[in-house]
Amino acid sequence: ETGVTQSPTHLIKTRGQQVTLRCSSQSGHNTVSWYQQALGQGPQFIFQYYREEENGRGNFPPRFSGLQFPNYSSELNVNALELDDSALYLCASSLTSGTGELFFGEGSRLTVL
Amino acid sequence: QKEVEQDPGPLSVPEGAIVSLNCTYSNSAFQYFMWYRQYSRKGPELLMYTYSSGNKEDGRFTAQVDKSSKYISLFIRDSQPSDSATYLCAICLDRTGTYKYIFGTGTRLKVLA
Repeated sequence: ETGVTQSPTHLIKTRGQQVTLRCSSQSGHNTVSWYQQALGQGPQFIFQYYREEENGRGNFPPRFSGLQFPNYSSELNVNALELDDSALYLCASSLTSGTGELFFGEGSRLTVL
Repeated sequence: QKEVEQDPGPLSVPEGAIVSLNCTYSNSAFQYFMWYRQYSRKGPELLMYTYSSGNKEDGRFTAQVDKSSKYISLFIRDSQPSDSATYLCAICLDRTGTYKYIFGTGTRLKVLA
């Protein structure tokens, strides 16, 4: 059973640029969620995808967008990067038909200069 | 008032001690409760999951939920230096399959050899 994998692990961007982060969900899981974790804080829910549709969103602006593919992998896109977007971005997979336990990847650490 | 409150620590204990980590929450409708362990610069690792009041035990770990007081705890028996990490509580209000988890800020634990 393969776990959740994310890429890239680290990246540096400048303010105003765009970034795409990628996630492969755990084998058998059909739901992917994205979380942002700022330094010293707990993860904050960005959005969740199920069957290639966004089916839940946290308090993040529209410049945060995502996709889910038929193989359940997912992308997080952030446009017009701001300094405050610097954080660890975590992908979590789960089974919607299950009890909702989240299994996280190692994260992508984004630094915006 | 934050939906989930967690003491950020740091908490330092000697090896072998019993550790008690706690969270309080404000919304009595929350249904699912999880504890995660996060090592520095890594993704959160699921430790315990429960959805009912009472205790759940797994090895050296015990999760306790008191829905009447809106209080959850994680106990670690015979703590080891390898338990040194940040512990996050996560609470979910299931809304039609969107498992939007709200995380505490995390408690940093250091177990001294």
